Amino acid sequence: DIQVTQSPSAMSASVGDRVTITCRTSQGVSSDLAWFQQKPGTAPKRLIYSISSLQSGVPSRFGGSGSGTEFTLTISSLQPEDFATYYCLQHNSHSWTFGQGTKVEIK
Amino acid sequence: QLQLQESGPGLVKPSETLSLTCTVSGGSISSTPYYWGWIRQPPGKGLEWIGTIYKGGVIYQNPSLRSRITMSVDSSKNQFSLKLTSMTAADAAVYYCASQNWNFEESYWGRGTLITVSS
Repeated sequence: DIQVTQSPSAMSASVGDRVTITCRTSQGVSSDLAWFQQKPGTAPKRLIYSISSLQSGVPSRFGGSGSGTEFTLTISSLQPEDFATYYCLQHNSHSWTFGQGTKVEIK
Repeated sequence: QLQLQESGPGLVKPSETLSLTCTVSGGSISSTPYYWGWIRQPPGKGLEWIGTIYKGGVIYQNPSLRSRITMSVDSSKNQFSLKLTSMTAADAAVYYCASQNWNFEESYWGRGTLITVSS
């Protein structure tokens, strides 16, 4: 099974900051990597699919990049509504694994 | 646009079997090119994939839960379901049903249903 290591587990940031979250997979997952945002009491919301494709309606300050076994979610200028927990998901080889999550809190 | 809604007992006793159903609206399970699956989230913790049913009925499941899981689709009711046997306190979680296409360009989730395990 493919293991996923997401970092950091939590971070404090200010409005306007650039935020970077990383996921590393134990083996290559091709382009089968998505990013989700979850706010308390709600279901996860998909932000990005296929490493870097932005879901319609998601602000362009969100971006995804990477290849092979290392992937990054970047928020170019953090906004108040972006304080949430973020998860990566690899769905290669019909077996899924979520990252452990990154909680982005207000500094 | 698909809408998914989980239904379940809310409370399960230890050692019993959990049965959950996900009702799909806005599209037909049998004619849409989607995968159907379950994810859970223990209180205050991260997301855990349970399993996915692919087109043609092929099912892939989390190895750590495989021996306890039964998943199925009922196209006549536009529903899919999950059964998880031998429930323990460790299985207490919000259970989500979800549907997506092959690359997650389309991805739909239910609102989740909280399952508590207690005698």
